[in-house]
Amino acid sequence: EAGVAQSPRYKIIEKRQSVAFWCNPISGHATLYWYQQILGQGPKLLIQFQNNGVVDDSQLPKDRFSAERLKGVDSTLKIQPAKLEDSAVYLCASSLGARPNYGYTFGSGTRLTVV
Amino acid sequence: SQKIEQNSEALNIQEGKTATLTCNYTNYSPAYLQWYRQDPGRGPVFLLLIRENEKEKRKERLKVTFDTTLKQSLFHITASQPADSATYLCALDVPRGGKLIFGQGTELSVKP
Repeated sequence: EAGVAQSPRYKIIEKRQSVAFWCNPISGHATLYWYQQILGQGPKLLIQFQNNGVVDDSQLPKDRFSAERLKGVDSTLKIQPAKLEDSAVYLCASSLGARPNYGYTFGSGTRLTVV
Repeated sequence: SQKIEQNSEALNIQEGKTATLTCNYTNYSPAYLQWYRQDPGRGPVFLLLIRENEKEKRKERLKVTFDTTLKQSLFHITASQPADSATYLCALDVPRGGKLIFGQGTELSVKP
């Protein structure tokens, strides 16, 4: 089966610019997650979707981050405006069920550098 | 809130030995605990899941234990190989949340 696809792989932007990341989960996976992973740390959840609805966005800095999953399949995560501390790898993951009694499948991530 | 602590120091072992990684948590015991492997420049890869009512789970050379009294999980790799060198992450579910929170990971290096 095809994995979770993410693009771009790398992105360098200046602070205060905007950036968008794209994710296509595994076909049939209803649950989609965006995680932020800062160098040397574990992934931190930003937002969780179930189909096209948001389940949890409590950790999403909503003044600058937004995410959508309009048709319940692929998803985009946007940062506007970016700050230096947003430099991280942004990981998308999907799972078959809504509870984590299944393993998550992660994409390779987008490495964002804000200069 | 839940805190997860993994071995903060990198673990260096000799090929053929057993690697043991630790995951400790505070507060509530999760219904599920998962272990992932992450290679540089890649996303985490799911390895094993253990439920709160299970003491031990095995998969090939991997073994996970779960002690809800100690609030600890141990992850073992037997007959370790240089190809096992990676960062290993433990993750716990959040009640009523349907999501995972991750530890900071432990870097394992297996020397030939």
